[in-house]
Amino acid sequence: DAGVTQSPTHLIKTRGQQVTLRCSPKSGHDTVSWYQQALGQGPQFIFQYYEEEERQRGNFPDRFSGHQFPNYSSELNVNALLLGDSALYLCASSPGLGQGLSLHFGNGTRLTVT
Amino acid sequence: KQEVTQIPAALSVPEGENLVLNCSFTDSAIYNLQWFRQDPGKGLTSLLLIQSSQREQTSGRLNASLDKSSGRSTLYIAASQPGDSATYLCAVSLSGGYQKVTFGIGTKLQVIP
Repeated sequence: DAGVTQSPTHLIKTRGQQVTLRCSPKSGHDTVSWYQQALGQGPQFIFQYYEEEERQRGNFPDRFSGHQFPNYSSELNVNALLLGDSALYLCASSPGLGQGLSLHFGNGTRLTVT
Repeated sequence: KQEVTQIPAALSVPEGENLVLNCSFTDSAIYNLQWFRQDPGKGLTSLLLIQSSQREQTSGRLNASLDKSSGRSTLYIAASQPGDSATYLCAVSLSGGYQKVTFGIGTKLQVIP
């Protein structure tokens, strides 16, 4: 039973560039959330997707956008990269939108912006 | 705005000790609370999920308690082992909306053989 998978594992980009990160949810899960974790900090909620729509969004600028595909996989796009966007980006999945559900995380994508 | 605080920020104990990690949150209107473990450079592994109607959950050597009215949770680790060394994160999900989760910064635990 495959868990949450994320690609790539590491990425180096230059300021001003754009980046796309990918996530495949755990089998049987249809809801995907994205988190940003800066070094030494807890994960910060970016947004959540369900039925191919953004359902909830955290305090992140419009440079951060996403998409969910019919097979429930998801992409996180970040435009006009800033040095401060350097972080571990985590994807989490759950079976539906119910609040009582446990989140399952992938191993993340480490993004470095130079 | 929900804020989650974890104390201590770091902890170093000899192998075999029992230990307690603390988590506090400012808004008691939570739906559930989840404890995670994170190894360096890795993702999060769910340890225990406590619904707001529950007082505690147990899994093996781990026991988590929840006191919603006081805004506190504790994670108790019995007979600690070097393999328990990791960062432990507490996360709360607020009521009244979709699964928007707020995390603490975590407690970095080192168990010394």
